[in-house]
Amino acid sequence: GQNIDQPTEMTATEGAIVQINCTYQTSGFNGLFWYQQHAGEAPTFLSYNVLDGLEEKGRFSSFLSRSKGYSYLLLKELQMKDSASYLCAVRDTSGGSYIPTFGRGTSLIVHP
Amino acid sequence: DGGITQSPKYLFRKEGQNVTLSCEQNLNHDAMYWYRQDPGQGLRLIYYSQIVNDFQKGDIAEGYSVSREKKESFPLTVTSAQKNPTAFYLCASSISTPSNQPQHFGDGTRLSIL
Repeated sequence: GQNIDQPTEMTATEGAIVQINCTYQTSGFNGLFWYQQHAGEAPTFLSYNVLDGLEEKGRFSSFLSRSKGYSYLLLKELQMKDSASYLCAVRDTSGGSYIPTFGRGTSLIVHP
Repeated sequence: DGGITQSPKYLFRKEGQNVTLSCEQNLNHDAMYWYRQDPGQGLRLIYYSQIVNDFQKGDIAEGYSVSREKKESFPLTVTSAQKNPTAFYLCASSISTPSNQPQHFGDGTRLSIL
């Protein structure tokens, strides 16, 4: 099984930078996904990391350290529409199913 | 456009009643999933299917049932045995083999008790 930990809630100011952390414990790591979910809507895919390092996609970047069981999602130039829940999902090879397990999500509130 | 469609958007269940949530995808994905989302709980896996006519229990399968008779469809039945069914239900699909391809989610069905 996996144990995935994210902060429950974060607040930040419009135009600023925010880092959302995700730590995990897994027996056979096979990739980490970040999703964005606005209230009452479907999660949408943001990024994927399987090797150590930083993946950059416009205003969003995601970092992975497999040895530390740690990832973060970095959001730059925050906009009000970035207020949402951010879900970390870890896939591992235990049980052979390769089904990602989701953390509880981090609710980000962006204020003017 | 390819996508995944859930219906209805809102559903109400009476005591002792079974209700079925629909999920259809036209992405040609082999794998489909059902998740339940409660406030502060994240997404919890109910059932998943990696191929037609086969499905597996997830972490919280009790009180639920599924079928996978067609590749495109993966309906979820919430039975009367599920004593706390009020939640947001999300269906997802993906390719079967591990890759960098993410799961695609439907817009969800919100189920409430009458």
